[in-house]
Amino acid sequence: SQQGEEDPQALSIQEGENATMNCSYKTSINNLQWYRQNSGRGLVHLILIRSNEREKHSGRLRVTLDTSKKSSSLLITASRAADTASYFCATDNAGGTSYGKLTFGQGTILTVHP
Amino acid sequence: GAVVSQHPSWVICKSGTSVKIECRSLDFQATTMFWYRQFPKQSLMLMATSNEGSKATYEQGVEKDKFLINHASLTLSTLTVTSAHPEDSSFYICSTYRRAEKLFFGSGTQLSVL
Repeated sequence: SQQGEEDPQALSIQEGENATMNCSYKTSINNLQWYRQNSGRGLVHLILIRSNEREKHSGRLRVTLDTSKKSSSLLITASRAADTASYFCATDNAGGTSYGKLTFGQGTILTVHP
Repeated sequence: GAVVSQHPSWVICKSGTSVKIECRSLDFQATTMFWYRQFPKQSLMLMATSNEGSKATYEQGVEKDKFLINHASLTLSTLTVTSAHPEDSSFYICSTYRRAEKLFFGSGTQLSVL
């Protein structure tokens, strides 16, 4: 079942601006991951943050995790038109019987205008 | 290069026919494969978890007799949509992991049932 809520559902910005997407979840997690999906295509893994981590960076990406609030955010700095895609958070839930069994959020559709 | 190969990328079939989707792990053994479904403009929903040599575990609400999963070898898992109907039209994607590393996703299969 889906446990992730993402907001906003859609985000439209100009090239060069920063984009922030938020994700909330309901159960305890081992880790939270962010994925990107171009229209009708497969998933690209962006970044993974473990439950004992609070912040992680990768290039123009910055992810935060607040386990007390059960929420995470993805910040894309200096956005480019090529960043246009759907972004999903996914949780690997603690206590699960299968490593790698993910629960995905609803996703944020990001449009970056040139 | 691709770590998980998924075929076909897209398939169009007539209502009532069966469609087989394959996911192969390249250069490693995938003891577990996850199968997800994504309807247009929606998130990914886990359908089932397959384990090599044993029966697949289906998520609540997924008909096991309609979505047949076979994981007969350590490098190949298949999903067969039997007696497909237009409401089965969706994007299907598999994922697995290698030695508890990050997950690897197939490129997905877009199924259109006429």
